[in-house]
Amino acid sequence: EAGVTQFPSHSVIEKGQTVTLRCDPISGHDNLYWYRRVMGKEIKFLLHFVKESKQDESGMPNNRFLAERTGGTYSTLKVQPAELEDSGVYFCASSSWTVMNTEAFFGQGTRLTVV
Amino acid sequence: AQSVSQHNHHVILSEAASLELGCNYSYGGTVNLFWYVQYPGQHLQLLLKYFSGDPLVKGIKGFEAEFIKSKFSFNLRKPSVQWSDTAEYFCAAVKRGGDDKIIFGKGTRLHILP
Repeated sequence: EAGVTQFPSHSVIEKGQTVTLRCDPISGHDNLYWYRRVMGKEIKFLLHFVKESKQDESGMPNNRFLAERTGGTYSTLKVQPAELEDSGVYFCASSSWTVMNTEAFFGQGTRLTVV
Repeated sequence: AQSVSQHNHHVILSEAASLELGCNYSYGGTVNLFWYVQYPGQHLQLLLKYFSGDPLVKGIKGFEAEFIKSKFSFNLRKPSVQWSDTAEYFCAAVKRGGDDKIIFGKGTRLHILP
């Protein structure tokens, strides 16, 4: 069974540019989460999809971040325009049920560097 | 606020040494607890989890953790580490009946000397 896949694995962009990160969850997993780790800090929740609907986006830092999940399959996270403080590792996770009831499976992360 | 604290940010051990990584959480109510590991260049993977039942949980690769409710702790242990255990380890918690979010500790970088 394929795991959670994230693209790209690394991205280096200039301040002000746009970057789109992609996550392909495990097939059949309705729950999809985005997390972020800024250097030296904890991995922090960004948002949660159930199928194509945003269940909770309370962790999104500001309106420069836009997440979508077309048709309840893969998800994208767009940062526009990127700022220096957006640098970090962005993780995606998926689960068949909520994380209160089952484990989440994580991707390898996308390392974003904004210069 | 809900939080997870990991006691050590960087641990260096020799092969065959015993390992214990500390983790405390600050939650009221019932929690699910996890230890995740990230090997260099790989994805975060689950080492073990505690939802209920026996507080001594065994995971993959010889790891175990003990849930001590009175101490709000979930320490990770391994009797004899190997060079291949070099990785970053994350303690995490989810409050049952609360937000559907995993709260992570800051992580512990473990470096095993061959």
